[in-house]
Amino acid sequence: GENVEQHPSTLSVQEGDSAVIKCTYSDSASNYFPWYKQELGKRPQLIIDIRSNVGEKKDQRIAVTLNKTAKHFSLHITETQPEDSAVYFCAASSNFNKFYFGSGTKLNVKP
Amino acid sequence: ETGVTQSPTHLIKTRGQQVTLRCSSQSGHNTVSWYQQALGQGPQFIFQYYREEENGRGNFPPRFSGLQFPNYSSELNVNALELDDSALYLCASSRDSEYTQYFGPGTRLTVL
Repeated sequence: GENVEQHPSTLSVQEGDSAVIKCTYSDSASNYFPWYKQELGKRPQLIIDIRSNVGEKKDQRIAVTLNKTAKHFSLHITETQPEDSAVYFCAASSNFNKFYFGSGTKLNVKP
Repeated sequence: ETGVTQSPTHLIKTRGQQVTLRCSSQSGHNTVSWYQQALGQGPQFIFQYYREEENGRGNFPPRFSGLQFPNYSSELNVNALELDDSALYLCASSRDSEYTQYFGPGTRLTVL
């Protein structure tokens, strides 16, 4: 089955800096890669996603890049703000009937 | 449009018992996936239901079973509870042919 690895497990940045979280996957059939933000005690919320036919997608301060050959994808957050502090999860899915999540990255943005 | 809801919020059971968790999909969504999230871990995929049929299953034993009803609400049943079943159980719903999932708030299950 699919195996998704996520790094780093914790990330501390200064407000205004950029943050990058990286994930690798093992199943070349995976074709959908969402990123979720989970604040303490709350449900995961989709922040951005990308399909395998696209190499990069951007939404304001958030961007995701995908390298299908290397089987890795990354989340980029620019101009970080304290409210970006949360746990971020990457996931991979093939044909949307199974989802595999990474172990999470705890992002701390220091004011 | 109403969001995904789950019940109950919290549940305490003892080892060996059975439990049923419920999920009400977001309006217009016909696909429901269930996840187990242990403390400090990412969600682990249990299974997915599409139009009342199991559509995909993760690496969970048969004592984890589910149902989806004609109104697309869903149940997760766990038999013979073990201590390691203690976790947050999340359901997520989505529309036919769309990949975006919307998560419910979860049910926190504690097995003593």
